Amino acid sequence: EVRLVESGGGLVQPGGSLRLSCAASGFTFSGYSMTWVRQAPGKGLEWISYISSTSSPIHYADSVEGRFTISRDNVRNSLYVQMNSLREEDTAVYYCVRESAYGFDYWGQGALVTVSS
Amino acid sequence: QSALTQPASVSGSLGQSISISCTGTSSDIGSYNFVSWYQQHPGKAPKLMIYEDSKRPSGVFNRFFGSKSGNTASLTISGLQAEDEADYYCCSYAGSGIWVFGGGTTLTVL
Repeated sequence: EVRLVESGGGLVQPGGSLRLSCAASGFTFSGYSMTWVRQAPGKGLEWISYISSTSSPIHYADSVEGRFTISRDNVRNSLYVQMNSLREEDTAVYYCVRESAYGFDYWGQGALVTVSS
Repeated sequence: QSALTQPASVSGSLGQSISISCTGTSSDIGSYNFVSWYQQHPGKAPKLMIYEDSKRPSGVFNRFFGSKSGNTASLTISGLQAEDEADYYCCSYAGSGIWVFGGGTTLTVL
């Protein structure tokens, strides 16, 4: 069974940093590209970052470019996003998502990040 | 990286059919055969329903049908059932490794 489990969410002040992790299991993690998608409270989905199976290439949405860094560890079967210079508008549930030839086919349960003073 | 345009809400009666439109541009929907659709129930993670414009993953009922014409994609759900009531999001590849979602459509089953 494919499982994606996010961790590391929480409350952080504006300008602060947070690192989300995603533990993957049930599939060959090193064979898949991965993506982070977020959803602000009561709002729609927003694609924010992509990393290929080999960690290159990497892509970011304009809204997080320069502040967020995606990475992965294919030995630990884990995906990460380092979020710096956080803003109130970054408040959202962050989903770890597997990308396959079929689209974004598996999603984690999400990790809530709240940016507030 | 502008969001795709979806109606905020649609509704239909049990057993009827509805369609949800998703309008993009010649830089995203119009350029690639990579439109996907996601269903999201309240408090749950999204679920892939359609990929590559019109293909259904295994396990998705054939009541869900995807299509595309020009810069507009559509999701049609036939034989509406109560469990179809959810939010639906379209998504398209926009080139250079970028993906863009629609704003979402809330489906109400009457």
